[in-house]
Amino acid sequence: DTEVTQTPKHLVMGMTNKKSLKCEQHMGHRAMYWYKQKAKKPPELMFVYSYEKLSINESVPSRFSPECPNSSLLNLHLHALQPEDSALYLCASSQDAPQETQYFGPGTRLLVL
Amino acid sequence: AQSVTQPDIHITVSEGASLELRCNYSYGATPYLFWYVQSPGQGLQLLLKYFSGDTLVQGIKGFEAEFKRSQSSFNLRKPSVHWSDAAEYFCAVGEWVTGGGNKLTFGTGTQLKVEL
Repeated sequence: DTEVTQTPKHLVMGMTNKKSLKCEQHMGHRAMYWYKQKAKKPPELMFVYSYEKLSINESVPSRFSPECPNSSLLNLHLHALQPEDSALYLCASSQDAPQETQYFGPGTRLLVL
Repeated sequence: AQSVTQPDIHITVSEGASLELRCNYSYGATPYLFWYVQSPGQGLQLLLKYFSGDTLVQGIKGFEAEFKRSQSSFNLRKPSVHWSDAAEYFCAVGEWVTGGGNKLTFGTGTQLKVEL
C-alpha cells in the first residue's frame, strides 16, 4: 500500500477562520512533508518532519502551523490566512533515508476568501 | 544551492509519436533525480528515479530516463505516447537534510498535450 490520504479534498475559508488540513499514511514512513502548489507552478516545500520532529521550516509564515502527533499523521493548522494562500496543499511521506521516494497524497484545494 | 531547469513549458505530440522531455540540474554532489507526473488537480506520481548505477533507468508506464553527468541532464523519454500521458511532468532533485528528510526541488514543469 503506497497511499497517502488527505482530508478534506476542498476547503473554503474566510480570513478570520481557523481550519486544519490532515494527512495520513500507513507505510511506516518516518519522514512527512507539506508542500504548497500554486496554479501552473511546481510544488514548493513548506515543512519536513523526521521522526515526528520538525526538521525543516522553509520560512513559512506563522499563520501556518504544522503538527505531527504520531508517525502516521500530519496536520497543518491554518489561521488568519490571506487570499494569496489559496493553493493546492500536498502532503508526502517517505522513508527517512537519502534518495528515498516521496509518495504524495491527492492534495487539499484551499480557497481563502 | 540545487536547482532544476525544464526548458520546455509546453510540448505537443501526436499519439504514437516518441517523446523527450528535457531536464537540467545544478547540484554539487551526486544528485538524486526524480521524474514525477501530475494529472490536473491531483497529487504527484513517481515515474522513475536515479541515484547511482546504470545511467539509463526504467520507470512505470513505459517511461525511461538517462542520466548524463557531463551534460547535467536527466531527460525523460517514451517511444510511443498514449493519449492518457497528457499531464504535467516535473523533474526534481533531492537533497538529504541534516536533521532528517529529503528536500525536493522541482523544475517548473512541462505540460504535455497529446493530439489524437
